Amino acid sequence: ETGVTQTPRHLVMGMTNKKSLKCEQHLGHNAMYWYKQSAKKPLELMFVYNFKEQTENNSVPSRFSPECPNSSHLFLHLHTLQPEDSALYLCASSQDPGQGAGNTIYFGEGSWLTVV
Amino acid sequence: GDSVTQMEGPVTLSEEAFLTINCTYTATGYPSLFWYVQYPGEGLQLLLKATKADDKGSNKGFEATYRKETTSFHLEKGSVQVSDSAVYFCALSKSSASKIIFGSGTRLSIRP
Repeated sequence: ETGVTQTPRHLVMGMTNKKSLKCEQHLGHNAMYWYKQSAKKPLELMFVYNFKEQTENNSVPSRFSPECPNSSHLFLHLHTLQPEDSALYLCASSQDPGQGAGNTIYFGEGSWLTVV
Repeated sequence: GDSVTQMEGPVTLSEEAFLTINCTYTATGYPSLFWYVQYPGEGLQLLLKATKADDKGSNKGFEATYRKETTSFHLEKGSVQVSDSAVYFCALSKSSASKIIFGSGTRLSIRP
């Protein structure tokens, strides 16, 4: 139990479907992240939110749409995905950098996404 | 830009062998350094960290020392177990930035 909870753990969706991944953190952190982990590829940072504001978008296709309604919740809305989007999507959180050194990041267990 | 380089895997060892996974970094300023571990089918977990030069992080028998002179943070364990089989990620972050930079990961397999 890391304090970061992701649902669902597994998701299979068709290319025309719309689905969402949910992340909730119970650590009182202000920064939240989405990472993509594909087989045989390095971790890819997708989005960063700090105090609910998006501070980074690493050229992610618009078929991935993040939403951060508050500092504890982060969503990734998915629509018209491609098979190559199949991957493990990891949510993470950390303290706002201005509140301490080290900036340790805590990960959820991930959501395994398969696009068929 | 800032970056992390770690040895390519996979690394295969016998149980009770000594483990070293090399990690070097490039960064301005004074980053904090981390090792994360990902067991099969799970997300990443923080294994250990060091926030300043000469600090030693340790956990579960693993150790790593922050060497500023060699810009390294090598992971070591004196006697590995089958349960240590996982992917290990070296990473850095700076207090001035809101993201963490990961290495590409090293897969470790331990034979009984």
